[in-house]
Amino acid sequence: QLQLQESGPGLVKPSETLYLTCNVSGGSISSSSYYWGWIRQPPGKGLEWIGSIYYSGSTYYNPSLKSRVTISVDTSKNQFSLKVSSVTAADTAVYHCARRVDDYGNYSFDYWGQGTLVTVSS
Amino acid sequence: EIVMTQSPVTLSVSPGERATLSCRASQSVSSNLAWYQQTPGQAPRLLIYGASTRATGIPARFSGSGSGTEFTLTISSLQSEDFAIYYCQQYNNWPPFTFGPGTKVGIK
Repeated sequence: QLQLQESGPGLVKPSETLYLTCNVSGGSISSSSYYWGWIRQPPGKGLEWIGSIYYSGSTYYNPSLKSRVTISVDTSKNQFSLKVSSVTAADTAVYHCARRVDDYGNYSFDYWGQGTLVTVSS
Repeated sequence: EIVMTQSPVTLSVSPGERATLSCRASQSVSSNLAWYQQTPGQAPRLLIYGASTRATGIPARFSGSGSGTEFTLTISSLQSEDFAIYYCQQYNNWPPFTFGPGTKVGIK
């Protein structure tokens, strides 16, 4: 059974950089049929897609966040990472990592991590 | 960017009753729509993709319909574990992938 697990600091100061890692177990991140991505959920609010990466390193980002976000992959460790720079209180959210199907007619997110709460505060 | 809206915001249903949730897209997304279920403190769970195809392991009481801009998720006979928040998501025009604000299904 595929499992995704987020890790990283739960508290980040304003203007600093947020770093999170998603460890993938029970399957290979190098599969040709999937992208790997990040989705966040501010407290009490809905879901916002941040970006996705292929095992080759090809990336897609949400235009609203593109200038501050970098997603990278480490196939040797079967994990991928998120970096968000110049954070503000608006970046406070539960951050989920997820697998996105890459199949014609199906680009849904079929496996998700539990999520990790990141609070931006001094 | 395609904006997704959902109605109602909250739906109160008795166990065993049918629940009908709506999702609307600001422009056509063909059948490129998914539905997710989220219970408190848990990760979202994929229910439906392609507007009407159930994901692996999803019970038959969940069904999806629609195309273009209007979509429906129906839960034929609500079980206790179905009380949750439901989100729709389009993947026709991206980036970005966009989600609806959610419908909360609560116990009546």
